[in-house]
Amino acid sequence: GQQLNQSPQSMFIQEGEDVSMNCTSSSIFNTWLWYKQDPGEGPVLLIALYKAGELTSNGRLTAQFGITRKDSFLNISASIPSDVGIYFCAGQLQWQAGTALIFGKGTTLSVSS
Amino acid sequence: DADVTQTPRNRITKTGKRIMLECSQTKGHDRMYWYRQDPGLGLRLIYYSFDVKDINKGEISDGYSVSRQAQAKFSLSLESAIPNQTALYFCATSDPRTSPYEQYFGPGTRLTVT
Repeated sequence: GQQLNQSPQSMFIQEGEDVSMNCTSSSIFNTWLWYKQDPGEGPVLLIALYKAGELTSNGRLTAQFGITRKDSFLNISASIPSDVGIYFCAGQLQWQAGTALIFGKGTTLSVSS
Repeated sequence: DADVTQTPRNRITKTGKRIMLECSQTKGHDRMYWYRQDPGLGLRLIYYSFDVKDINKGEISDGYSVSRQAQAKFSLSLESAIPNQTALYFCATSDPRTSPYEQYFGPGTRLTVT
């Protein structure tokens, strides 16, 4: 099936540092979304992107829809301990009917204080 | 109260048993989804439903079946559970009228098949 390559797989950072993660694919996407999953919970939507080049912020989080429509990145500024969790990118393929999403394998973020 | 609820939250069952996982939502969304999460593999789509009369297979539907009893309810069944179906299962919903690609997830069901 189609693949989303999400990197890095895991990150260990100090509180206050900035974080960057990304997703890439060989296919073109219509939509990119970023989710966060806390331990023992379901994923929660952070940011949704709908246009190539779109840059959207949600508090300390910023995400961009790549110009080529094949990638997206998520930045977290000034990380805090509650940022710990698994971050997933998800996308809807250009050619795929309906609204089924493809998910990346996740980036596990650990923050030490 | 949570908008998307899943029951049970945890279940241990034996190989060969039939098991049903249930999902209910109060968001009024037409579209519902079942995903499976395995460590290091992300979320994979099992089945999805765009309305009560519309059921579609996802990436990994073999060994699973679903039932959309009402707009608010979507159940996932394992007719004869096997150990490699041990995983975390999530239900999700979306609203085609407002933001069709934004999916909202339940808290998950942790299933262990021994």
